[in-house]
Amino acid sequence: DAGVIQSPRHEVTEMGQEVTLRCKPISGHNSLFWYRQTMMRGLELLIYFNNNVPIDDSGMPEDRFSAKMPNASFSTLKIQPSEPRDSAVYFCASSFWVMNTEAFFGQGTRLTVV
Amino acid sequence: GENVEQHPSTLSVQEGDSAVIKCTYSDSASNYFPWYKQELGKRPQLIIDIRSNVGEKKDQRIAVTLNKTAKHFSLHITETQPEDSAVYFCAASRAGAAGNKLTFGGGTRVLVKP
Repeated sequence: DAGVIQSPRHEVTEMGQEVTLRCKPISGHNSLFWYRQTMMRGLELLIYFNNNVPIDDSGMPEDRFSAKMPNASFSTLKIQPSEPRDSAVYFCASSFWVMNTEAFFGQGTRLTVV
Repeated sequence: GENVEQHPSTLSVQEGDSAVIKCTYSDSASNYFPWYKQELGKRPQLIIDIRSNVGEKKDQRIAVTLNKTAKHFSLHITETQPEDSAVYFCAASRAGAAGNKLTFGGGTRVLVKP
């Protein structure tokens, strides 16, 4: 398996624009996590899905953020409209939910909002 | 929800010395405690994990201990080498009907001086 795949790797956008980040989890995994990493706040859990269903979105900072998982092999994180303070590295991770197992991270998307 | 505290935030050690990182968690139902290593510009990767039915686990130069009563767990790295320089994250997770939410500590930046 190629691991968790995220796209794009880098995204530079202007304030106010819509940004969509994509994630393909490892085949067979049924838990998917979106994290945001900044120097100030570390690794923040934004939302996680189990069997494609959003379980906890309490970490989503504002209504500008939304996430979907239409099927077991694809998820998106959308920011609309984007703001400079959204600049961060966004990681997607997946795991197999059986008595807790290792979460595998994608390579991340470095988002810069100017 | 779960809250994970990690100390210290930075740690500088001489090559060959030991490094210890400590974490505390708040949810007594948490039962899975992984440790991740993140090198500069890369994704977090699992280095060792421990489950709540085990008090200690060792893998070559790294070991993790868990004190469920006190709700804290620690990472020990012996005979440190320059390649151990990285950011280390502890995490806690609780398996439940709604999935396994993985919450991270704030991270420890370890610098091994040659």
